[in-house]
Amino acid sequence: EPEVTQTPSHQVTQMGQEVILRCVPISNHLYFYWYRQILGQKVEFLVSFYNNEISEKSEIFDDQFSVERPDGSNFTLKIRSTKLEDSAMYFCASSPGTPDGYTFGSGTRLTVV
Amino acid sequence: AQSVTQLDSQVPVFEEAPVELRCNYSSSVSVYLFWYVQYPNQGLQLLLKYLSGSTLVKGINGFEAEFNKSQTSFHLRKPSVHISDTAEYFCAVTDSMNTGFQKLVFGTGTRLLVSP
Repeated sequence: EPEVTQTPSHQVTQMGQEVILRCVPISNHLYFYWYRQILGQKVEFLVSFYNNEISEKSEIFDDQFSVERPDGSNFTLKIRSTKLEDSAMYFCASSPGTPDGYTFGSGTRLTVV
Repeated sequence: AQSVTQLDSQVPVFEEAPVELRCNYSSSVSVYLFWYVQYPNQGLQLLLKYLSGSTLVKGINGFEAEFNKSQTSFHLRKPSVHISDTAEYFCAVTDSMNTGFQKLVFGTGTRLLVSP
């Protein structure tokens, strides 16, 4: 069964550093998403991406965040200057444009120290 | 805007007992509904989804859920739980009127604790 692949599975970074979280969506999917889950809390929508542009973003997704699909296969989330409160599990998801087939990756646990 | 309420933050149950995890949603439009399971330190695994058709939806691992439009509920049930069902369960909703982009709105989760 097709999978959404996220790397790395765990990343530790120092406060103020830039991090890039990587995702490889399912190949024929058109819509891409990032979600965040702070430890012990619910999963929250960050941003959606379609046709090489952001289609919607939440209030969490401020100027410190950016997304990119640099090469037609990868989908990345960049945090420019990490803060302690950015520590969370980040999930990538992709969909073909219908809810059937909406698939999450296994997540990247980001720890900011 | 949609919202999801999972009133029970934790549900303790004995092995082989039945369980129901409650989910209520709020939406001004038609919705699609999902249940996800998250085992400790792992990602989100889809248990089942309601898109259309029969209101009783069967999923993996013996779980089922019933969509009740009048009560705006989508409760998850299992007739006999196993120790291995211990996990966090999330209900999620999205607007069915959108074609293409679908943002999932999640509830706060219910921790199912199965003991021997």
